[in-house]
Amino acid sequence: GAGVSQSPRYKVAKRGQDVALRCDPISGHVSLFWYQQALGQGPEFLTYFQNEAQLDKSGLPSDRFFAERPEGSVSTLKIQRTQQEDSAVYLCASSPGGTPPGELFFGEGSRLTVL
Amino acid sequence: AQSVTQLDSQVPVFEEAPVELRCNYSSSVSVYLFWYVQYPNQGLQLLLKYLSGSTLVKGINGFEAEFNKSQTSFHLRKPSVHISDTAEYFCAVTRSGNTPLVFGKGTRLSVIA
Repeated sequence: GAGVSQSPRYKVAKRGQDVALRCDPISGHVSLFWYQQALGQGPEFLTYFQNEAQLDKSGLPSDRFFAERPEGSVSTLKIQRTQQEDSAVYLCASSPGGTPPGELFFGEGSRLTVL
Repeated sequence: AQSVTQLDSQVPVFEEAPVELRCNYSSSVSVYLFWYVQYPNQGLQLLLKYLSGSTLVKGINGFEAEFNKSQTSFHLRKPSVHISDTAEYFCAVTRSGNTPLVFGKGTRLSVIA
C-alpha cells in the first residue's frame, strides 16, 4: 500500500488477555517506530527498529510489552496480560532512516480498550 | 535527552484570524524540529520541519514556523486560519534520523466561525 497500515483499528480486550497489534510500514522504509498515545496526550515512544534489529526498547513500560520485526518489514507489538492502564492508541511510524531525518509517516493507529 | 514543552493545551481562535502555537525545546545537542497535525480519528501528518539552513520554514496549508536557537523555540504560525484547521498540533524534536522523535503534549486548535 501507499501508506503505513495498522490492524486492527479497534481492539477491546478483557483484563488479562493477550493482544497483538500489526504494522505494515511503507515498502523499503528502514526505520520503524512504535508509540503509545493516551487520551489527550502526545505520542510516547515505545520502541524502534532499524530493519530487523530492535535498537531501542527503552520506552516499553513493562516486560508485558514485546515487539518484533523478524524480516525487517511487518512489525507486531504484543501486550501480554493486558491491564486497564494499557488502554491507549498505539501508533506505528516508518521512515527511510538516516541523518538528517526524513519524514516520519504514521499509520492511523490501533485503539486498545481494556475492560 | 531532548524534551518539548507546548505551552498552550487549547487555543480557540476566530476564523480568518492569525494564530501562533508555541513550542519550546530543551537539548544539549543540535536538534531537528517538526510540527505534526492530527485530525480527528486520523494519523499524524507532517506540517513542516526544520533540519538546517533558513530559520523560517514554510509548510503545508499555509503554516510556517521559525527556529530560534537562542530562545530554544519553534513556534508555529498561520496568518489566517480556516475552520478546516481545527485539529491537534504536536511539536517534536530529535537529534538524528535514527533516534525517536520526542513529542510535546499537543495543542488543540479550535477555529470558531
